[in-house]
Amino acid sequence: KQEVTQIPAALSVPEGENLVLNCSFTDSAIYNLQWFRQDPGKGLTSLLLIQSSQREQTSGRLNASLDKSSGRSTLYIAASQPGDSATYLCAAETSGSRLTFGEGTQLTVNP
Amino acid sequence: ETGVTQSPTHLIKTRGQQVTLRCSSQSGHNTVSWYQQALGQGPQFIFQYYREEENGRGNFPPRFSGLQFPNYSSELNVNALELDDSALYLCASTRAGTSVSTDTQYFGPGTRLTVL
Repeated sequence: KQEVTQIPAALSVPEGENLVLNCSFTDSAIYNLQWFRQDPGKGLTSLLLIQSSQREQTSGRLNASLDKSSGRSTLYIAASQPGDSATYLCAAETSGSRLTFGEGTQLTVNP
Repeated sequence: ETGVTQSPTHLIKTRGQQVTLRCSSQSGHNTVSWYQQALGQGPQFIFQYYREEENGRGNFPPRFSGLQFPNYSSELNVNALELDDSALYLCASTRAGTSVSTDTQYFGPGTRLTVL
């Protein structure tokens, strides 16, 4: 059974700081690893999807890496802004479009 | 905007009642999944529908059931509501089915269900 863990559970940083969010998973037989953003009381917005054959993906100030052998993924956010404040969720897909989520990292970027 | 819509936005029910939640998938997507997200937790997979048939279920009892229609819209039905069913219910659509997924899943805004 796939289990996904995210560290830290919460993070508060000043504006402009570069930061790293961590995600680990127990079953390395994944199809892909996805990072989502969730604003309070809202649905999920897809940020990055890394296929199992890839090592990283980049979108603007976001960079996500994947190391299947160690069961780890990281989301790097450069030059953080107050608008980046949200909960960030990682999810591993292990079969047929089914996602196993971590519990998220709640990020606060202070002006 | 993902193109996935859900209704209603909020819903309040009492224990023992039944509820139906609705999801309209993004155009061209033939697979829909439902997730339950309790407060402060990550979403949990309930079940998935592919071309109108259930295509996998998570660890949820049979009182959670669903339907997918020919236009790929979907319903989640929950019978005999319990207090612990209070959560945000999310649906997600994608083009993948039984094949390996290469597409991200697009989530709707969710339905907030409160059971009193």
